[in-house]
Amino acid sequence: AQKVTQAQTEISVVEKEDVTLDCVYETRDTTYYLFWYKQPPSGELVFLIRRNSFDEQNEISGRYSWNFQKSTSSFNFTITASQVVDSAVYFCALSEAGSGTASKLTFGTGTRLQVTL
Amino acid sequence: DTGVSQDPRHKITKRGQNVTFRCDPISEHNRLYWYRQTLGQGPEFLTYFQNEAQLEKSRLLSDRFSAERPKGSFSTLEIQRTEQGDSAMYLCASSRTPYEKLFFGSGTQLSVL
Repeated sequence: AQKVTQAQTEISVVEKEDVTLDCVYETRDTTYYLFWYKQPPSGELVFLIRRNSFDEQNEISGRYSWNFQKSTSSFNFTITASQVVDSAVYFCALSEAGSGTASKLTFGTGTRLQVTL
Repeated sequence: DTGVSQDPRHKITKRGQNVTFRCDPISEHNRLYWYRQTLGQGPEFLTYFQNEAQLEKSRLLSDRFSAERPKGSFSTLEIQRTEQGDSAMYLCASSRTPYEKLFFGSGTQLSVL
């Protein structure tokens, strides 16, 4: 069965520091999708990125970057020059193509990021 | 595009009562999903619909839970004879196709006393 592990429960940084959120996954499928979602205090999950298992290119979007390494089954997320508005819970998630839908997600337990001034 | 809407935002009920939640997905989205999130945990999949057809139910969805999506538009999730263990955030999400990202609503927070 698939599993997502986010070992960091809480991280606290000072604004402008860089921070990396770790995600390790387990799956037996060869085709799968990895996601990161952000959950601010309002509760609504906000989509950040999706990666399929055949695309190991790292991606950068503004202050956000993602490092996907199949060899270590990891999909880590880095925020550069963190801001107070980045404070939220961040979830890594996995879906398997064999499930019939890429949207049936298995989530990790989340990492709470607190950015202070 | 008004986003996924859920109603109510909060529900407090007594153990043994029935509750019903509503989800209105983004209008052109055929897929609709229900997830449950307890404190300190990630969301857990409950069930999903393709239009009006319920395609899969998680084993987490006991017989006391039922979900419908009449006419493939809004969906309802009903919990009968609520138990304290049902206390959680119930999240609805939708997607246009099976392989596109999910858009989530703000959830319904259920507290069973």
